[in-house]
Parts: sequence; structure tokens; C-alpha cells
Amino acid sequence: QITLKESGPTLVKPTQTLTLTCTFSGFSLTTPGVGVGWVRQPPGKALEWVANLYWNDDKLYSPSLKSRLTITKDTSKNQVVLTMTDMDPVDTAAYYCAHRRRGDSAFDPWGQGTLVTVSS
Amino acid sequence: DIQMTQSPSSLSASVGDRVTITCRASESITTYLNWYQQKPGKAPKLLISAASNLQSGVPSRFSGSGSGTDFTLTITSLQPEDFATYYCQHSYITPYTFGQGTKLEIK
Repeated sequence: QITLKESGPTLVKPTQTLTLTCTFSGFSLTTPGVGVGWVRQPPGKALEWVANLYWNDDKLYSPSLKSRLTITKDTSKNQVVLTMTDMDPVDTAAYYCAHRRRGDSAFDPWGQGTLVTVSS
Repeated sequence: DIQMTQSPSSLSASVGDRVTITCRASESITTYLNWYQQKPGKAPKLLISAASNLQSGVPSRFSGSGSGTDFTLTITSLQPEDFATYYCQHSYITPYTFGQGTKLEIK
């Protein structure tokens, strides 16, 4: 059974850096084709893809956020870490990590999400 | 970037109704199209992958079809637990864009 859980601060100040950790179980990020993705959702709005990290350490970022993002993995801890710099109130959102499947590249399952508020 | 356009953005229906939600890609994504269901305060749940593959445990009243640029999600005989927001998403190439969502409400 695959599970994922996000952790990190619930409140950050504008211009600060956000660091979120996705801790997962039930799969290995050393298995070819496997990945972890991050998706965010501002309150009341649609889902937005943020980044993917793959088993071979390839990293892909949303073009609109790329300059502010870094995604890394610690395979020994089964964790993926997303860092977003220069946070702004418009970045207030629920942040989800999800298992990215081989083959169809769908996100399944997802973590429960963590709400991050950007406010001074 | 490939844009995904869902319609309608909201839909009112009754228990037992059949509903169809459409999703159009701005260019061909072959069958790299996924459908998710999201209930308030919860994470999205994958219903259908690769345009028409029903996920294990998802009721057979849900079905998906399409290829290229045009896709549909159909729910036959709506049940109370189906009232939620539905999103399409392509996974053809990054960025993996989502549609804007369709909120399915009880009439």
C-alpha cells in the first residue's frame, strides 16, 4: 500500500523560503519509471502542477515557478523535499505530493495535503 | 504548454441522472488523460487513467473515453457520494496541466 504525507510550516512570511517534505512508503524512488509530483491548490481554485522528481533524479518544474523551485530526494529516508523561494501571498495554497506512476504518469495516490498560508 | 479546457464549470443534477463532463486539450495528448474526483477538504482521487482505464475500486458507473484532443467523463446513475469536483489532467508531457474543474452539485 502506497502512502504519502506532506509536512512543513503552515505559515510563512512574504519573501521567506518554504520547505515542504513528502514522506512516502510502499514504493521506492529507485524503481525505474517511478516519480513523485507536487501539486498545489489555492483556496477555492483549481489544481496546479508544480514539479516532478523521477527515480533517475530527473527534475521537471512548472515554467511559471521554475526560477523559485528546487526538488530533491533522500532515498534512504523515502523523502522528497520541495523548496520554494521568495514566497508571496498568492502562493497561499494546499500543497499535495503524489506518487507518479510508471506508464500512464498519473498521480495516484496523493498525500492528504498541507495548507500553507503566506502572510506577514 | 498544453491547455486543458473543461466544460461545464458547474453542473446541477439529481440522484439517478446521467452526466457527462468534457475536457479538450489544446493539442493532441493521445490518451494521456486522467480524471480525478475531489471532495471538499480532501485530496484528489484518481478515477480514470489513460482516458478510459477505470481504477480499481472505482464504481463501474464511471467511464471515460476519447483520444487526441477530446475526452469525456460519464457518470451513469448518479449517487449521493458522486457530488464533488472533477478535474481532468494530461500527463503527456510536462507541465502536466489540469482543467479548471467541474463542480457537480445536487439539484
